[in-house]
Amino acid sequence: AQSVAQPEDQVNVAEGNPLTVKCTYSVSGNPYLFWYVQYPNRGLQFLLKYITGDNLVKGSYGFEAEFNKSQTSFHLKKPSALVSDSALYFCAVRDPRGNQGGKLIFGQGTELSVKP
Amino acid sequence: EAGVAQSPRYKIIEKRQSVAFWCNPISGHATLYWYQQILGQGPKLLIQFQNNGVVDDSQLPKDRFSAERLKGVDSTLKIQPAKLEDSAVYLCASSLDVGGVEQYFGPGTRLTVT
Repeated sequence: AQSVAQPEDQVNVAEGNPLTVKCTYSVSGNPYLFWYVQYPNRGLQFLLKYITGDNLVKGSYGFEAEFNKSQTSFHLKKPSALVSDSALYFCAVRDPRGNQGGKLIFGQGTELSVKP
Repeated sequence: EAGVAQSPRYKIIEKRQSVAFWCNPISGHATLYWYQQILGQGPKLLIQFQNNGVVDDSQLPKDRFSAERLKGVDSTLKIQPAKLEDSAVYLCASSLDVGGVEQYFGPGTRLTVT
């Protein structure tokens, strides 16, 4: 069965420091991988995706993520965190095969807190 | 470009009552999704439409939940009767088609069942 794990419920970072939010997945074959961010009382906003090609993908607001097939990981990173990055982050996977394309499987979310 | 619209934004009902949520996807998007997000968890797909046909409703509790997208545009999700465990945020999303990679989410409807 497809699954996504975000091992950290919360990540605390000081402003200006690099941040990493971890994600591992379990999907047969080559998955499509996504990161979404959710601010309080808002819907999910797309940050970035990995489909194929370069393992390092760049997204919105200075975020990037590295796809590692051998470790089945897709960690979200940013070189210098901002207080405004504080939000709930979700990793998701989509199996591009089969006749039910489009369904996203989400991790449980990681609360990122960036302190001044 | 207008985003995905949902209403109401908040709803409080008593258990055993019924409730309906409305979603209007981005114009031209053929695929529409309803997700349930329980506090502390990631969103879980309830039902997926391609135009006015159902692609996946395997996780929809069909004894109490129903959804329709009669004209292939906007959609309604209904719960009848509601249970306490239905308290959650109901998110609607849309994509260009089933193969569309990116899903665009609405602001959600927060349902509280007392």
